[in-house]
Amino acid sequence: GDSVTQMEGPVTLSEEACLTINCTYTATGYPSLFWYVQYPGEGLQLLLKATKADDKGSNKGFEATYRKETTSFHLEKGSVQVSDSAVYFCALSDNGGATNKLIFGTGTLLAVQP
Amino acid sequence: NAGVTQTPKFQVLKTGQSMTLQCAQDMNHEYMSWYRQDPGMGLRLIHYSVGAGITDQGEVPNGYNVSRSTTEDFPLRLLSAAPSQTSVYFCASSRNLRLASTDTQYFGPGTRLTVL
Repeated sequence: GDSVTQMEGPVTLSEEACLTINCTYTATGYPSLFWYVQYPGEGLQLLLKATKADDKGSNKGFEATYRKETTSFHLEKGSVQVSDSAVYFCALSDNGGATNKLIFGTGTLLAVQP
Repeated sequence: NAGVTQTPKFQVLKTGQSMTLQCAQDMNHEYMSWYRQDPGMGLRLIHYSVGAGITDQGEVPNGYNVSRSTTEDFPLRLLSAAPSQTSVYFCASSRNLRLASTDTQYFGPGTRLTVL
């Protein structure tokens, strides 16, 4: 079945450092790809998404490019802030399915130190 | 516009007790779902609903029941709680099934459940 694999955390960075969180997927169809973020004590929020190959999603300085050839959707940010500390989830949604099911990775905890 | 709301925020149960986790959304969304979040396992889909009166099982449905009598509400019932159901539960909703693959899901703040 479809699956998502994320790099294990925690990832600890100093403020203004560069961030990459790796995400790869396995899917039989042509999924849409998402990054969700969960701040401490809160629910998940959509950070960015891409619906087809070579699309780039971006939001709040974060970017991710849908790479079909490497089945990847890595999350990047050039300069992280303390306020970016959160858990980041990569997810996919099956385009061929009739429902809006999301398949999540295990999440990556990011801790940014001042 | 409150979005997706969940009650309670925290709950402690004894093994064998029953309870209902409440979820409501005020965005007139067709699709609603329940996930559980466990350490090292991400979020897993328990049940989902594509509209009032229609529900289906997700990845981990055993031990849980749902119903969807209205568009707004989607309660999750634990009939006989077990320690394995200790988890954080999230309800989510999204707007339009025809855009199912691209639509944003909105999540509630979660319910942290402990079963002793």
